[in-house]
Amino acid sequence: GENVEQHPSTLSVQEGDSAVIKCTYSDSASNYFPWYKQELGKRPQLIIDIRSNVGEKKDQRIAVTLNKTAKHFSLHITETQPEDSAVYFCAAPGGSARQLTFGSGTQLTVLP
Amino acid sequence: DGGITQSPKYLFRKEGQNVTLSCEQNLNHDAMYWYRQDPGQGLRLIYYSQIVNDFQKGDIAEGYSVSREKKESFPLTVTSAQKNPTAFYLCASREYTVSDYGYTFGSGTRLTVV
Repeated sequence: GENVEQHPSTLSVQEGDSAVIKCTYSDSASNYFPWYKQELGKRPQLIIDIRSNVGEKKDQRIAVTLNKTAKHFSLHITETQPEDSAVYFCAAPGGSARQLTFGSGTQLTVLP
Repeated sequence: DGGITQSPKYLFRKEGQNVTLSCEQNLNHDAMYWYRQDPGQGLRLIYYSQIVNDFQKGDIAEGYSVSREKKESFPLTVTSAQKNPTAFYLCASREYTVSDYGYTFGSGTRLTVV
């Protein structure tokens, strides 16, 4: 099955700085990589995703990059704001049903 | 709740008791999933179902059971065999026929053993 590793587990940045979270995956057949944001006690929300036919995707202050050769993908948040503080999860599909395997999460804290 | 509803929001279980968590979706999604989330950890897959009357074990199925009698519903039973059930349980769904799409999550059920 798929194995997804995520780093760092915690990340603190000053408001306005950038934040980068990295994930690696093991299944070379994986071709879809979503990122979820989870606020305390709430459900994970999909914030951005990327498919293997592109190397980068942007949505305002959020971007995701993918390196299929190295089997890693990253989330970039620019001009961070306090409301960006949350836990972020990466995921990749694996197994016969392409079910998502999630990384262990990154607690991002944006300091005012 | 974005088309997928979990109930109850909070659930308390006594030792040796079975409890059932509800998950209903009106998104017409084929695939449904149950994940468990422990504090400071990621989401671990318990069970999943791709079509009605069929389901598969995930990575941590021991002590849990599910059914999929209707497309809209995928209830999870936490049995007395699950020795450490205190956790946050998340149900999710996805259009199976569309390859590799993200999940829609329910709002979760927080289960506590008392």
